[in-house]
Amino acid sequence: GAVVSQHPSRVICKSGTSVKIECRSLDFQATTMFWYRQFPKQSLMLMATSNEGSKATYEQGVEKDKFLINHASLTLSTLTVTSAHPEDSSFYICSAGYPTVSTDTQYFGPGTRLTVL
Amino acid sequence: AQSVTQPDIHITVSEGASLELRCNYSYGATPYLFWYVQSPGQGLQLLLKYFSGDTLVQGIKGFEAEFKRSQSSFNLRKPSVHWSDAAEYFCAVGYMEYGNKLVFGAGTILRVKS
Repeated sequence: GAVVSQHPSRVICKSGTSVKIECRSLDFQATTMFWYRQFPKQSLMLMATSNEGSKATYEQGVEKDKFLINHASLTLSTLTVTSAHPEDSSFYICSAGYPTVSTDTQYFGPGTRLTVL
Repeated sequence: AQSVTQPDIHITVSEGASLELRCNYSYGATPYLFWYVQSPGQGLQLLLKYFSGDTLVQGIKGFEAEFKRSQSSFNLRKPSVHWSDAAEYFCAVGYMEYGNKLVFGAGTILRVKS
């Protein structure tokens, strides 16, 4: 149980285009989903917290107009990188909060490798 | 600010040897504690978690971790390492006042030599 999928696993795009990444909780409903960015040989950096039916909460320094997040259902959140540039190339990982007694446990997707040419 | 420290960037152990990965956190109250493992190019897999109760928690793949409040630590252990354990390990801490958000340590890369 507690499986999270991401699609696509890899994407290569030209500079200036937009890319959408999907995150799905396959066997549970997640009120909250999270989007992280991971640079090579570094830890995960939280970009935003996505709550179903409401606007995402972005971390300081993350451009909300560039990284559009939609959480339209309890099993799907999407991250759209708008007008992508080479510096947006990174590994993007989502997680979904699995509700437990004390707090949600985050289960992670397999990640999406974005390369912007 | 809340922080999580994994002091060892790289650790190399021989197959069959024991393993301990260190994790320290800064916080006054009891946080929620997690260990995740990441293989190259993959997402994170939950190894174990601590919310409350018994301070020694068992996880998957033969891993365990012990919460020590006095030392603000949550070290990960395995009595006998297998070559397939080679990966990067992340300690993460959740704080009540920040909802379900996690703060991650920098990670420890484990190499297993045969």
